Amino acid sequence: DVKVTQSSRYLVKRTGEKVFLECVQDMDHENMFWYRQDPGLGLRLIYFSYDVKMKEKGDIPEGYSVSREKKERFSLILESASTNQTSMYLCASSLWSSGGGELFFGEGSRLTVL
Amino acid sequence: AQSVTQLGSHVSVSEGALVLLRCNYSSSVPPYLFWYVQYPNQGLQLLLKYTSAATLVKGINGFEAEFKKSETSFHLTKPSAHMSDAAEYFCAVSSDSNYQLIWGAGTKLIIKP
Repeated sequence: DVKVTQSSRYLVKRTGEKVFLECVQDMDHENMFWYRQDPGLGLRLIYFSYDVKMKEKGDIPEGYSVSREKKERFSLILESASTNQTSMYLCASSLWSSGGGELFFGEGSRLTVL
Repeated sequence: AQSVTQLGSHVSVSEGALVLLRCNYSSSVPPYLFWYVQYPNQGLQLLLKYTSAATLVKGINGFEAEFKKSETSFHLTKPSAHMSDAAEYFCAVSSDSNYQLIWGAGTKLIIKP
């Protein structure tokens, strides 16, 4: 059974803290994605990676960075958390680089920044 | 540029009634179209996708969607709603020239007993 695992389902952090969100997939997928989900806004792409050590900015990369040292792992980093980064974060992976590829999602990490 | 519009942030239907969730897209090239479902406290999972084969696409859990190029629509339907269908549904579009998914804002489906 295919699986994308996000390390933390719920996190509470303070403003200014550094936050790591980890994502691991067991499907040998080339592509991995980090999305942010907010009510009424759908999913917004933060960063994606199409290969180890490769990354591309999505629509809202400001305040975030990513790391992909191994094919199966894609980390999202908030260098200095702010209250406007309180949100649900979704990791996904896909096999294809063409348009028809299915995304497989983790269960999400709900981050609250106080 | 591609875009997706889902009509209605919330749709409420009675159990056993027809479900219709609307999705319109704009794309200058032949699109791939997707519906994903998100159950409470879970990630998204693929419900169905259109990739230029049949215009009527059947998905999981009795859902289907019809691609209508002339109307630039890809509405999701189910003949008879079940309580377990309560979830948020997202429409998305991509193409070979831009394979990043463009997402609609989502429609929360509420099932009344």
